[in-house]
Amino acid sequence: QQQVKQSPQSLIVQKGGISIINCAYENTAFDYFPWYQQFPGKGPALLIAIRPDVSEKKEGRFTISFNKSAKQFSLHIMDSQPGDSATYFCAASRGSEKLVFGKGTKLTVNP
Amino acid sequence: NAGVTQTPKFQVLKTGQSMTLQCAQDMNHEYMSWYRQDPGMGLRLIHYSVGAGITDQGEVPNGYNVSRSTTEDFPLRLLSAAPSQTSVYFCASSPDWAGELFFGEGSRLTVL
Repeated sequence: QQQVKQSPQSLIVQKGGISIINCAYENTAFDYFPWYQQFPGKGPALLIAIRPDVSEKKEGRFTISFNKSAKQFSLHIMDSQPGDSATYFCAASRGSEKLVFGKGTKLTVNP
Repeated sequence: NAGVTQTPKFQVLKTGQSMTLQCAQDMNHEYMSWYRQDPGMGLRLIHYSVGAGITDQGEVPNGYNVSRSTTEDFPLRLLSAAPSQTSVYFCASSPDWAGELFFGEGSRLTVL
């Protein structure tokens, strides 16, 4: 059973555009929602994370939007750059339990 | 500042061979884990450890063994390699499950 569903599987955006990646979850007990960024040939690295007590968190060009009632959260990348081309994973966890990862989105930002 | 170090980076095995993927971290993290990454499948947890001497199975443990004799090291053993184990393997550590996972750079394994 896939607990975190991520879409789209791949995304192509023009430089300067907005990239949007969505994730949906089933377990309402989840209380930590991070996004990981993975460049080719590298391991994933934490990009930004949110807890359900806020609806939005922004760090530079990266924003997480969280909709608790819809059980959805999304990553928005404003003014997308070719250097943002990477695979993005959403994840969720409850308390001290293990992270559950989405299947990933490969983002390509064309110059 | 080494972080999480994995060796080897690349390995080719024949079916039936055994090998060990090494993982070491220098951040004194209690939690360590092994994931495999396959196209379209995301990151799947193989085994994890919450401290020295304690290990447990993840989502896809079959065909793999782990041990945790020290806080720093968490090797992953393939007992009898199969083509289905062709994948990229990542080791990760964290101070706790609810916090940031620190990943190594991965080990690409091909089983012929």
